[in-house]
Amino acid sequence: EVYLLESGGDLVKPGGSLRLSCAASGFRFSNYAMNWVRQTPGTGLEWVSTIDVRIANTHYAGSVQGRFTISRDNAKNTVFLHMYNLRAEDTAVYYCTTRLGSHFDYWGQGTPVTVSP
Amino acid sequence: DVVMTQTPLSLPVTLGQPASISCRSSQSLAHSDGHTYLSWFQQRPGQPPRLLIYEISNRFSGVPDRFSGSGAGTDFTLKITRVEAEDVGVYYCMQATQFPWTFGQGTKVDFK
Repeated sequence: EVYLLESGGDLVKPGGSLRLSCAASGFRFSNYAMNWVRQTPGTGLEWVSTIDVRIANTHYAGSVQGRFTISRDNAKNTVFLHMYNLRAEDTAVYYCTTRLGSHFDYWGQGTPVTVSP
Repeated sequence: DVVMTQTPLSLPVTLGQPASISCRSSQSLAHSDGHTYLSWFQQRPGQPPRLLIYEISNRFSGVPDRFSGSGAGTDFTLKITRVEAEDVGVYYCMQATQFPWTFGQGTKVDFK
């Protein structure tokens, strides 16, 4: 069974940094792309970032380009989202999702990030 | 960016009756690889989103056959043949044909 467990969400001040983690199990992690998607009450769902099987191949939403970095550790079956220079508008629940056969086919339960003074 | 527009944003439904949600994209979602990456997700209260339909009309594993998807190009539809109590929630369409991948605003389905 596919299982995704996000962690690392916290309350952080504007301009601060945070690292989210997503531990995956139930599939051969190194063979699949991984994604981060966030959700805010006001703006709904927003795709944030994707990392392909080839680690150098990453993609970002324009709203986080240059501030967020996605990475993966295939030995630990974990994908990370490094978030820098956080803004109030980054406040959201962050979900880790897979692409085992189709985009966003499995989701974790999410980890909340709050950016506030 | 591809803008995804869902209608309606709120859909009051009756148990056992059909329901339909429309999703329109600002550009064709036909990819050069021959696929059209249009998906539908359901989000029940307090739960993460769940994939229902991928590539327009393919039901994901475990999704009841009362859910179906159709469409092409820029116009897509999610249909529920007979609404059940567990279908209450918010439904989103999403395109993954072109970066940045984008979601519709969501349609809230609730009982009248």
